[in-house]
Parts: sequence; structure tokens; C-alpha cells
Amino acid sequence: EAGVAQSPRYKIIEKRQSVAFWCNPISGHATLYWYQQILGQGPKLLIQFQNNGVVDDSQLPKDRFSAERLKGVDSTLKIQPAKLEDSAVYLCASSLGPLAGGKIFGPGTRLTVL
Amino acid sequence: QKEVEQNSGPLSVPEGAIASLNCTYSDRVSQSFFWYRQYSGKSPELIMSIYSNGDKEDGRFTAQLNKASQYVSLLIRDSQPSDSATYLCAPLSGTYKYIFGTGTRLKVLA
Repeated sequence: EAGVAQSPRYKIIEKRQSVAFWCNPISGHATLYWYQQILGQGPKLLIQFQNNGVVDDSQLPKDRFSAERLKGVDSTLKIQPAKLEDSAVYLCASSLGPLAGGKIFGPGTRLTVL
Repeated sequence: QKEVEQNSGPLSVPEGAIASLNCTYSDRVSQSFFWYRQYSGKSPELIMSIYSNGDKEDGRFTAQLNKASQYVSLLIRDSQPSDSATYLCAPLSGTYKYIFGTGTRLKVLA
């Protein structure tokens, strides 16, 4: 079984630039999550999709972050404009459903904002 | 009060010893609890889940849950250097949100 795919793996940008991350979940997983993990902290949920609908985006900084999941499969997360404090690892995860057991995480994208 | 509290560590134990990792949570309605292991520079991977009060064993790992005390723990028996990682506690809250703790860094000394 293929895992959760993410790209790029690393990205370095200057503040005020824009950046986009891509995620392809495990086939058949209806629920997709984007997490932000700052060094030394646990992952923080940014947005949760059920198929192509948003279930929870309460912690997404909507003035600069946006996400979409077209056709209920792949998803993109965008930051525009980036701030220094956005430097973190962005993790995509998927599960069969919102109440399914543990999530499967992708390898993450490490973002550095200079 | 934080929703999920873990001692950040590092917790250092000698090889072969029992490592005990603890987690408290604030949402009394939480029903499902998960432990993830995260190696440095890697993404979290699920190692244990527990849903009922008591103990659940899987190989060298034992998860313990006490809902009345809002406490969940993970025991690692016969600790190995390869167990050195950060362990994240993640209750599923009453609103079906996964809330991760900050994690406890475990160091197993050879």
C-alpha cells in the first residue's frame, strides 16, 4: 500500500513570498488533514477535509493560509504572504474517516522563511 | 490548563529498563487515545491505541488508561536505543478533534 505523498520535501522562501504544498492521501481515505509542527511542539491541526468538504478549519490563519481538496483526493495548502513564524514542518495525514483509528502521516514539507 | 499535557523530557533510561511516559488530558468526553512515535526529522507513526480503562499490551508496549483520572500512559519494556524518539499522546476529543501533546523525548542509553 502506497503511503501519503507530499511535495516538495523542503522549501526555502523569503518573507512575504507565497508557497504551496501538495498532498496525495492513501487511496480510499476520505479524511485528509494538514498539520503544522513547529520545532519542539506537537502537530497543530490547520484544516480537516471530509472528502472535498471542510470539517474543521478553526486554527487556519485564513488571512494568509488557504487549502483546497478538489475531487476529494489530492489537496494543496497555500501560504500567501509568508511570515517568519510560518517556518515549520507541514504534515499531511489521512484516515478512512474522522473517527477511524490512527492517522497515516506523510513525510512532511519543511518550510524555512527567511 | 493545556488540553493535553506531557513532560517534555528528555527522559533517560538505561537499555533494558522500563520507560514510563505519561499524559494527562482535560476533555472528560475523550473516548479514544493514541500514542505516536516520532523520530527526529521524521513524521509521527501510530504505535498504540486504547479505548477502554485498563491496560492494553502489544509486544514491548503497554498502554494504560484511567478515564476517571484523565490519565493515559505508555510503558516500554526492555527499552532499546532504537526506541529513542519523541512520543506524542493524542486523545480524540469529544468534538472528534485530535489534540496532540507536545511530546516526551525519550533517550535510551546503551
